[in-house]
Amino acid sequence: NAGVTQTPKFRILKIGQSMTLQCTQDMNHNYMYWYRQDPGMGLKLIYYSVGAGITDKGEVPNGYNVSRSTTEDFPLRLELAAPSQTSVYFCASSNRDRGGETQYFGPGTRLLVL
Amino acid sequence: GQNIDQPTEMTATEGAIVQINCTYQTSGFNGLFWYQQHAGEAPTFLSYNVLDGLEEKGRFSSFLSRSKGYSYLLLKELQMKDSASYLCAVGDSNYQLIWGAGTKLIIKP
Repeated sequence: NAGVTQTPKFRILKIGQSMTLQCTQDMNHNYMYWYRQDPGMGLKLIYYSVGAGITDKGEVPNGYNVSRSTTEDFPLRLELAAPSQTSVYFCASSNRDRGGETQYFGPGTRLLVL
Repeated sequence: GQNIDQPTEMTATEGAIVQINCTYQTSGFNGLFWYQQHAGEAPTFLSYNVLDGLEEKGRFSSFLSRSKGYSYLLLKELQMKDSASYLCAVGDSNYQLIWGAGTKLIIKP
């Protein structure tokens, strides 16, 4: 049981390039999330999904896109990378139970945009 | 607006006790979570409170007062491996987690 896996671990992009951050979970969780974490700041929600085929915007969605074609996978797409997107990106998944949820996080992708 | 406040940094001595406070103002309340995050790693779940009172889990305890919008995480018998950031998060009316910026805990020998 691998939990939540993310690839790549680290990437350097040039301004204007695009890339996809991959996220896979093997816990059969319905809910999946993408966060970014800037130094000294809390986690900011980019996009989330409540199940295959359903996605919604979080607090900071501009410059990103997502898709959820299967329960397991939730890729995050960056189009036209900008220096402001330099951050650590975490994918998480959860199953809501009695109104509460524990989110399980992947190891993160460190992205540097130059 | 929605807001979660916790101290930026705290220092404690190995073997001692430390209390990390968290105050929150959110639209709705669906539980309060504490996560631990070691430098360069992902957050990992520590505790969940949805009712007022104290939840104890080994060396770690978490307290909640919903009327005061207040929680604390209590760490006993501190060990060097407890050096990490501790993140407070609250589930809002849409069951989304609102995250504090985290408290960096430094443990000294």
